[in-house]
Amino acid sequence: DIQMTQSPSSVSAPVGDRVTITCRASQDVSSWLAWYQQKPGRAPKLLMYVASTLQSGVPSRFTSSGSGTDFTLTISSLQPEDFATYYCQQAKSFPITFGQGTRLEIQ
Amino acid sequence: QLQLQESGPGLVKPSETLSLTCTVSGGSISSSHYYWAWIRQPPGKGLEWIATIYYSGSTYYNPSLKSRLTISVDTSKSQFSLKLNSVTATDTAVYYCARHGSSGWILESWGQGTLVTVSS
Repeated sequence: DIQMTQSPSSVSAPVGDRVTITCRASQDVSSWLAWYQQKPGRAPKLLMYVASTLQSGVPSRFTSSGSGTDFTLTISSLQPEDFATYYCQQAKSFPITFGQGTRLEIQ
Repeated sequence: QLQLQESGPGLVKPSETLSLTCTVSGGSISSSHYYWAWIRQPPGKGLEWIATIYYSGSTYYNPSLKSRLTISVDTSKSQFSLKLNSVTATDTAVYYCARHGSSGWILESWGQGTLVTVSS
């Protein structure tokens, strides 16, 4: 199985700040990496896929990059609605695996 | 607009079988472009992929659950289903159904989720 490791596990930042979350895969997943946002009591929402493609309707302040084993998700200017938990997921092969999540809290 | 809706009992007794159904509307479950999935999330924890199915019946299972798991599809009802037997308290979770996208095994659209508690 491909293990996905996110860092940090949690981060606190004020509105307007720039935040970067990292995801590392235990094996090469090429660009088959997706990012999800989950708010309390809600289903995860796809943000980015194929490492850097923005899902329709997602604000452009979200960007992502990486290939192989190392990936990042960056939020350029935090808005109040961005405070949530973020998960990476390898989309290359079964079994599909997720990172443990990064909780983004308002400072 | 595609909608997925999970349904099934919210409470299951230990050692019994958890059964859930996902009803798809606003899109065809028989589309050749898409696969369908189950994912779960224990309270306060992360996401775990359970299984994936194609309308033809082809399946992919999480090895950690495979021995207890059956998923199936009923295209006439636009539904796919999950059965997990011999449940324990560790199977307590919010269960989501979802549609894979066309770029790798991403999960493009999700149902709202349903909480299943395993307790006597």
